[in-house]
Amino acid sequence: AQSVTQLDSQVPVFEEAPVELRCNYSSSVSVYLFWYVQYPNQGLQLLLKYLSGSTLVKGINGFEAEFNKSQTSFHLRKPSVHISDTAEYFCAVKYQGAGKSTFGDGTTLTVKP
Amino acid sequence: EAQVTQNPRYLITVTGKKLTVTCSQNMNHEYMSWYRQDPGLGLRQIYYSMNVEVTDKGDVPEGYKVSRKEKRNFPLILESPSPNQTSLYFCASSQDGYNYGYTFGSGTRLTVV
Repeated sequence: AQSVTQLDSQVPVFEEAPVELRCNYSSSVSVYLFWYVQYPNQGLQLLLKYLSGSTLVKGINGFEAEFNKSQTSFHLRKPSVHISDTAEYFCAVKYQGAGKSTFGDGTTLTVKP
Repeated sequence: EAQVTQNPRYLITVTGKKLTVTCSQNMNHEYMSWYRQDPGLGLRQIYYSMNVEVTDKGDVPEGYKVSRKEKRNFPLILESPSPNQTSLYFCASSQDGYNYGYTFGSGTRLTVV
């Protein structure tokens, strides 16, 4: 069965510090992986995706993620965060042949001044 | 502007009174889906549709109905709402369900009293 685990429910960091939000998925032959961001009172917005090819994926707003097949992980990183990055972040996985994506429970990133 | 439009944004209703939440997309997407978001439970899929007249259950379909008579519309129907259906609901669409990620609506906050 598809499953996604976001290892941290809340991540507080100071402005301009680096951040990593962790995501692990259950093993499968082929997966498609996504990160979404949800700002307060808004819907989710696609940050980046991994379908195939290079394991380092760059997205919007300076975020990037690395696909690690051996560790079944897809961690999200940003080298220097801003106050405006405060939001909830969701990792999602779609297994090849499955009709739907599965979302993690979300990680709340709070950037402090 | 490419978007997914949900209506209403907010709805308070009483137990047992049938209601419909509308969802419409203007991107000619094949795939549409409904999610509910609850604190501590993340996003859970209710129903999805791969194309017109093709729908399937997600993880939590009980108490909900959907229809896909036209490509652009995917309404969510609660025939007899109950308080445990109080939640934040999101409609999403995608060109094919995985390669392109999802575009989400702004959400509908439903309260059933």
